[in-house]
Parts: sequence; structure tokens; C-alpha cells
Amino acid sequence: GAGVSQSPSNKVTEKGKDVELRCDPISGHTALYWYRQSLGQGLEFLIYFQGNSAPDKSGLPSDRFSAERTGGSVSTLTIQRTQQEDSAVYLCASSLVSGREQFFGPGTRLTVL
Amino acid sequence: GENVEQHPSTLSVQEGDSAVIKCTYSDSASNYFPWYKQELGKRPQLIIDIRSNVGEKKDQRIAVTLNKTAKHFSLHITETQPEDSAVYFCAAVLSGGGYNKLIFGAGTRLAVHP
Repeated sequence: GAGVSQSPSNKVTEKGKDVELRCDPISGHTALYWYRQSLGQGLEFLIYFQGNSAPDKSGLPSDRFSAERTGGSVSTLTIQRTQQEDSAVYLCASSLVSGREQFFGPGTRLTVL
Repeated sequence: GENVEQHPSTLSVQEGDSAVIKCTYSDSASNYFPWYKQELGKRPQLIIDIRSNVGEKKDQRIAVTLNKTAKHFSLHITETQPEDSAVYFCAAVLSGGGYNKLIFGAGTRLAVHP
């Protein structure tokens, strides 16, 4: 079946603009995660959705970052007033059961000029 | 909260040698430990995982060992090949407040030289 998909694959924006990144998890997966990966670095946890529970936002770096998950499926990560340090690959992952195997999407490479 | 330490950060071996990557975790309640491989420009992919009720698991040239008492787990790759070159991430599950999420180590960049 289809894996996790993300769009766009690449996004170039100007400093100060808002961007929206989309994630389509594997159908039926209840848990969805967002990570940020700067060049050559590890996986920085951003936010986690589990079913209908309130999301775990503990990893969001500032109030410019927000995310929502509509209908328990598609998720959108929004970055307002982008800064150059926001440039990174944003990875989405989903899992059938929280705390178990996560399947990653291909990522969105964000470049802020 | 959970903290996962991973060593070494870089590892260089000759083709055919073995490679070992070690991780320690802090939450004694963690019960699931996956390893992910990320090739250059690609997404991380699960290569092997272990649950807390076993001490070792093997899959061809890859094995993972777990020592719950010491709170550390290791990835062993035998007969390394150039295609094993990648960044490897360990992780441990953090549970609490109804949440179960994976905490990742910082990664190990493995280079296998022909």
C-alpha cells in the first residue's frame, strides 16, 4: 500500500513569509509525528498526535510553529514569519500504534532565503 | 524525561569488518528499541528492533543486544559492505501521560571503505 507522503518535496521561501507543509500518513495509523532535521544532524522531535488526544507540542521551538491534524488523518505544519534558521528537512512519520515502528515520509526540504 | 545517548558519532571500518554502535537510555520503563538507517538524501528506515522481553535479536548480518539492567543496547553489523554506509539512529520509547513517543539518539555516521 501507499506509504507516508509529504508535500511539497521542496519549498523555497523568503524570510518573513509563512509556509505550510503537508503530511499524509499511512491509512489507519493513529499516531503522527513531525521532526526537523538540519543538514548532517539528527532528528529533532517537534510535535506528536495520537488519535483524538491533545497533541504533544513539547518539541516546537517557538510559537511561530504550529500543527494540526484534521479528521485523524492529514496533518499540516505551519511556520509563520520564517527565519533562515528554519531551513531544514521536515520529516513526518506515522505509526499504527504509538511508541512502535514509525514509517517516515520523504520529507520537505525548506529553504528560507 | 527520556534521554538517549549514542556513540560513536562517526565510525569508519574496512569492508568485511564488524561495526558496533552503542546507545544508553535513562527511562527504565522503556520497552521498545528500534534502529533506523538513513542513507544520504533518503528517509530513515527501520532495520531492526527489539522489545524489552528479549536480550538479543538477529537478522542476517545485523543483530541488536539489550541490557535492561545497565540500560544500554547495541547494534552489531558483521561482514560490513559499502552499502552499509549510512547514518544509523537508535531510539527508545518514552511513555507517560497517555503518550508513547520515540526519543532518538543523535546518530552515528558509518563509512565502510572497500
